[in-house]
Amino acid sequence: QKEVEQDPGPLSVPEGAIVSLNCTYSNSAFQYFMWYRQYSRKGPELLMYTYSSGNKEDGRFTAQVDKSSKYISLFIRDSQPSDSATYLCAMNGNTGGFKTIFGAGTRLFVKA
Amino acid sequence: EAGVTQFPSHSVIEKGQTVTLRCDPISGHDNLYWYRRVMGKEIKFLLHFVKESKQDESGMPNNRFLAERTGGTYSTLKVQPAELEDSGVYFCASSQGGQKLFFGSGTQLSVL
Repeated sequence: QKEVEQDPGPLSVPEGAIVSLNCTYSNSAFQYFMWYRQYSRKGPELLMYTYSSGNKEDGRFTAQVDKSSKYISLFIRDSQPSDSATYLCAMNGNTGGFKTIFGAGTRLFVKA
Repeated sequence: EAGVTQFPSHSVIEKGQTVTLRCDPISGHDNLYWYRRVMGKEIKFLLHFVKESKQDESGMPNNRFLAERTGGTYSTLKVQPAELEDSGVYFCASSQGGQKLFFGSGTQLSVL
């Protein structure tokens, strides 16, 4: 069983839709939870990070962590064509950021 | 400020040859990481440097892979001899020590 499970999609939505992306994980030691966005032929770019359980909002993006269910989500409001990319969840259990475990990534298409 | 720079962006070699990948981290970032994504799989941790010292190399697949970080600045990852299963995208990331990893655009390695 993978430590982090993420549906690879693709997920296709119309412009303006609310997008919900999710990951589940098995390692209860994870404490830091991140979402990265990756455009084609580019490296991952950190979008959000959250420590332990709770919500965090940044503009159109909201990250949620439910440690009791080992489930994390990223919501994108008012999605734009420029949001079309692969979204990777990532997590680790240590400070310092090493040995981050990534999900497979969900490919998102936002249609104009 | 310059981001993480990797080169070459692409490398095509034959099985048995040697390839060296280079990463220049963001200036002032003591932490440097190598990750790899093989076709259809998740991005996986290879190793972590703090300055010139290897902090964790538990993700290195085998002794055909050698990473160095001379003087705590740029890093190289050498594969010798390359095998078919080494094909994939090799990412370098750097950080100041927190959860925010800054990734380069990666090196696409194809072993034929």
